[in-house]
Amino acid sequence: KNQVEQSPQSLIILEGKNCTLQCNYTVSPFSNLRWYKQDTGRGPVSLTIMTFSENTKSNGRYTATLDADTKQSSLHITASQLSDSASYICVVSGDAGNMLTFGGGTRLMVKP
Amino acid sequence: DGGITQSPKYLFRKEGQNVTLSCEQNLNHDAMYWYRQDPGQGLRLIYYSQIVNDFQKGDIAEGYSVSREKKESFPLTVTSAQKNPTAFYLCASSMTGDLTANEKLFFGSGTQLSVL
Repeated sequence: KNQVEQSPQSLIILEGKNCTLQCNYTVSPFSNLRWYKQDTGRGPVSLTIMTFSENTKSNGRYTATLDADTKQSSLHITASQLSDSASYICVVSGDAGNMLTFGGGTRLMVKP
Repeated sequence: DGGITQSPKYLFRKEGQNVTLSCEQNLNHDAMYWYRQDPGQGLRLIYYSQIVNDFQKGDIAEGYSVSREKKESFPLTVTSAQKNPTAFYLCASSMTGDLTANEKLFFGSGTQLSVL
């Protein structure tokens, strides 16, 4: 069964600090891996999309890594800001054109 | 202002009642999707459509129905057969529906449905 597991479930950090969120998946075959940011009560917004051949992709202060051999990804947030408080969702695309497997998300709170 | 518009933001359903959630997009996308989000769980696909007048069931279609009469619109009806409808419902769209090809998926702002 295709699964995407994220850790930790929740995280509290101080403003200005860095943090790393983890994503492990069992989706096979693999097409791409996506990270989304979702503010409370809003729809998810895309941060990065990575294919099998990409092992790092950045979007401002967000840097995603992918290890397709171990089926792991991470999202690193640098110099956190209060506006980074949100849920971060890892999503994996398999071989069916319209099927995505979503992780349960990591809820990040950045405190002043 | 391009994007996906969902309405209403909040909706309440009485027992035995059908309710319809609206989703409109002006991105000229062929593919549209409906997802259900429960607290702490991953999004689950309810229905999707890649072309007008055609749609396919997702993983949890029971108790839901959709129509795709226009490219821009993909309304979702939550029927009385759906016994646990309380959830956050998200509509999304993509250019062609081939999400294996790094195609971006755009989401609306969601509708929170609660049972009275």
